[in-house]
Amino acid sequence: DAGVIQSPRHEVTEMGQEVTLRCKPISGHDYLFWYRQTMMRGLELLIYFNNNVPIDDSGMPEDRFSAKMPNASFSTLKIQPSEPRDSAVYFCASSGDGNSPLHFGNGTRLTVT
Amino acid sequence: AQSVSQHNHHVILSEAASLELGCNYSYGGTVNLFWYVQYPGQHLQLLLKYFSGDPLVKGIKGFEAEFIKSKFSFNLRKPSVQWSDTAEYFCAVSGSGSARQLTFGSGTQLTVLP
Repeated sequence: DAGVIQSPRHEVTEMGQEVTLRCKPISGHDYLFWYRQTMMRGLELLIYFNNNVPIDDSGMPEDRFSAKMPNASFSTLKIQPSEPRDSAVYFCASSGDGNSPLHFGNGTRLTVT
Repeated sequence: AQSVSQHNHHVILSEAASLELGCNYSYGGTVNLFWYVQYPGQHLQLLLKYFSGDPLVKGIKGFEAEFIKSKFSFNLRKPSVQWSDTAEYFCAVSGSGSARQLTFGSGTQLTVLP
């Protein structure tokens, strides 16, 4: 099992640019989560999907953020336009059912200058 | 709304010392409780979990945690730490059943001196 795969590992971009983060969950997992980690706010849940359907996006900070899950093996988190305060590590995680622990990817470290 | 408090932001210990990291939660129902560890530059990994049953839970790498319902606590312990335990430790809570959102504590950075 390859685990949760995220790309890219690092992303450096200029303010105003569009950023797309990618995630491949563990095969067979029905839940997919996007988290953001910063020093100031810790780990925050942005959005999660069940069977490719967004269930709760109340953690998405602004309309500049959007997430999609077109199929069971792929999800994207897009920021457009990006701002310096979006700089953080973004983690994707997946789990098998309602009570299974989350398996995290290695994260994408985003720096917006 | 559920919340998690980790009282120690940074703990520094010498090798072989005993460890206890505090975690208190607030939630108005049956909970699932977790401890995750994040080694420097790596992703979060599950240390142990509590869903039901024996409140003393044993996890990987010699860690254990005790669920004390009356105190809303789920403290993490290890009798003798090693330098390789240097990492950040996160306590997390979710409602049992259909509530899948994990709420994480702010984390405790553990530094073990050789």
